Amino acid sequence: DTEVTQTPKHLVMGMTNKKSLKCEQHMGHRAMYWYKQKAKKPPELMFVYSYEKLSINESVPSRFSPECPNSSLLNLHLHALQPEDSALYLCASSQIGGNEQYFGPGTRLTVT
Amino acid sequence: GESVGLHLPTLSVQEGDNSIINCAYSNSASDYFIWYKQESGKGPQFIIDIRSNMDKRQGQRVTVLLNKTVKHLSLQIAATQPGDSAVYFCAENGAGGGGADGLTFGKGTHLIIQP
Repeated sequence: DTEVTQTPKHLVMGMTNKKSLKCEQHMGHRAMYWYKQKAKKPPELMFVYSYEKLSINESVPSRFSPECPNSSLLNLHLHALQPEDSALYLCASSQIGGNEQYFGPGTRLTVT
Repeated sequence: GESVGLHLPTLSVQEGDNSIINCAYSNSASDYFIWYKQESGKGPQFIIDIRSNMDKRQGQRVTVLLNKTVKHLSLQIAATQPGDSAVYFCAENGAGGGGADGLTFGKGTHLIIQP
């Protein structure tokens, strides 16, 4: 199984809502990542988890809160987002020390 | 600023022709480079990678060339097919596989295949 799954596929939320994005992989990868991709732009790194611990936070606002409950799951909790946070949120995973990252299909988020 | 960039935002080629997509990077310490393909509505898909100690690597219909002297990377796609239509990103991982590091992506080139 070389698949990274993400739910939901699409999400529309208001600025006062709280929602969560979910990511799952069963490849035994111990590194997981969140990227944000705006339209017609490249993905930009947000967070890196290594052995279920947050290892990199690319100065992401606190309204984005990541969580890695176990080695297969990665969540991104959203609260009080702004319209400019509307984007495609991509999850990826890799082996520790490996370079190839496997990406999920993303969650298309719209903040109204 | 960005450490990886691309020269052309859009490339249009005839079906059956070869395509060359270019990428420039600025971090001379970069150890590992990857090309990803992203189709509309999908996440990036790994195509091919190359380490900094190599100058060429070939896959099925794809070749990546690395010129460290001028910090330039290219992706060659042979006999382009309609299914090759996508946005292509180069990406860099400077860690060299020592841990878990995020990728830095270039701007992307939209490859359009003309029938």
